[in-house]
Amino acid sequence: DVVMTQTPLSLSVTPGQPASISCKSSQSLLHHEGKTHLYWYVQRPGQSPQLLIYEVSSRFSGVPERFSGSGSGTEFSLQISRVEAEDVGVYYCMQGIHLPLTFGPGTRVDIK
Amino acid sequence: EVQLVESGGNLVQPGRSLTLACTASGFTFKNYEMYWVRQAPGKGLEWVSHISSSGSTVNYPDSVKGRFTISRDNTKNSLYLRMTSLRAEDTAVYYCARGPFYSSGYYFAYWGQGTRVTVSS
Repeated sequence: DVVMTQTPLSLSVTPGQPASISCKSSQSLLHHEGKTHLYWYVQRPGQSPQLLIYEVSSRFSGVPERFSGSGSGTEFSLQISRVEAEDVGVYYCMQGIHLPLTFGPGTRVDIK
Repeated sequence: EVQLVESGGNLVQPGRSLTLACTASGFTFKNYEMYWVRQAPGKGLEWVSHISSSGSTVNYPDSVKGRFTISRDNTKNSLYLRMTSLRAEDTAVYYCARGPFYSSGYYFAYWGQGTRVTVSS
């Protein structure tokens, strides 16, 4: 199985400051079609998970521009340019190319 | 608006069976791959099953293979998860999720609100 690791596992951020989460996969997530299948989700307190970023760097519908994703191969990151109070939650990366589909352990983001 | 509404969660004894359902609306259900994803109390996310748009292809992780069966009824816009030989470690919130319109990969574009399954004597 592909192992997904995330760092840090928790993050406390001052509103208006940037935040970054790293995600690494134990195998390449590059598909022969050229897409890289790395996804980011956020689970806000008491809510279902929501898709933030698909295929490394594409923002899903309705996701604010302050969220961006980058990376390639086996190393990826999620950046929040200026954290807002509503960004509190647990952020998960997930690989979507190798079965079984696997998630990272999650990074808990809270506000200072 | 895409809506996924799960039902069927309950308290069940170890070794017993339970069937979850997910009713979809706001999109053409028969065109989309569907999934179940679960979250044990206080834990992270675990993919549980996948079914192709036609229902002809299904996939499971080893943790549930042979015990869980995913199915769909495209005439009723409904997704199901039949869970047998339930174990304490199957205790979780189970989410129904919809895939994208097209992708060479697997992912969950929309999620339901979840239904809670507790396996305990």
